[in-house]
Amino acid sequence: AQSVSQHNHHVILSEAASLELGCNYSYGGTVNLFWYVQYPGQHLQLLLKYFSGDPLVKGIKGFEAEFIKSKFSFNLRKPSVQWSDTAEYFCAVNALASGTYKYIFGTGTRLKVLA
Amino acid sequence: NAGVTQTPKFQVLKTGQSMTLQCAQDMNHNSMYWYRQDPGMGLRLIYYSASEGTTDKGEVPNGYNVSRLNKREFSLRLESAAPSQTSVYFCASSEREKAFLGQYFGPGTRLTVL
Repeated sequence: AQSVSQHNHHVILSEAASLELGCNYSYGGTVNLFWYVQYPGQHLQLLLKYFSGDPLVKGIKGFEAEFIKSKFSFNLRKPSVQWSDTAEYFCAVNALASGTYKYIFGTGTRLKVLA
Repeated sequence: NAGVTQTPKFQVLKTGQSMTLQCAQDMNHNSMYWYRQDPGMGLRLIYYSASEGTTDKGEVPNGYNVSRLNKREFSLRLESAAPSQTSVYFCASSEREKAFLGQYFGPGTRLTVL
């Protein structure tokens, strides 16, 4: 079965620290990959996406992610986090299954940035 | 554009009561989804509608029903609420032919079942 794994459930960083959140998926076919962010009390917003081309994608607010096909990974990075990055981050995979595109989400990583 | 809207934002029910969560999108998307979000479990798909007139079960459909009223609206109904259905419910939509663009989410409904 298709699945998405986010290894870090809770991450605490100080401002200006670098961030890397892991995401691995299991699916052998073509996939589209996403990172969503959910700020406290808000809905999910798309942070960045990969579907083809350069495996290093840049999103909003200085975030980037690298697709490594051989490792089935799509890790999220940010060189220097800010207090305002405190949020929950979800990795998601979109793949064709039974003629329909389905989205599968990881369990999320809660990031807390200390001022 | 309002994007994806959901009503109500908060609801408290007693066990056995019924209610319908409403969702509407104004982006002319074909596909719509209902998820529930529980701590430590991420988002789990309840039902989805790939296009107007079709609905399919997701990962956790038991206890729920859905109606794709038209292209804009997709409602979720709890016929007999149970405490296990206490959760935050999100509706989402996407372009069926452009799945690589991702999904757009509504603001959520926080439901408590006593």
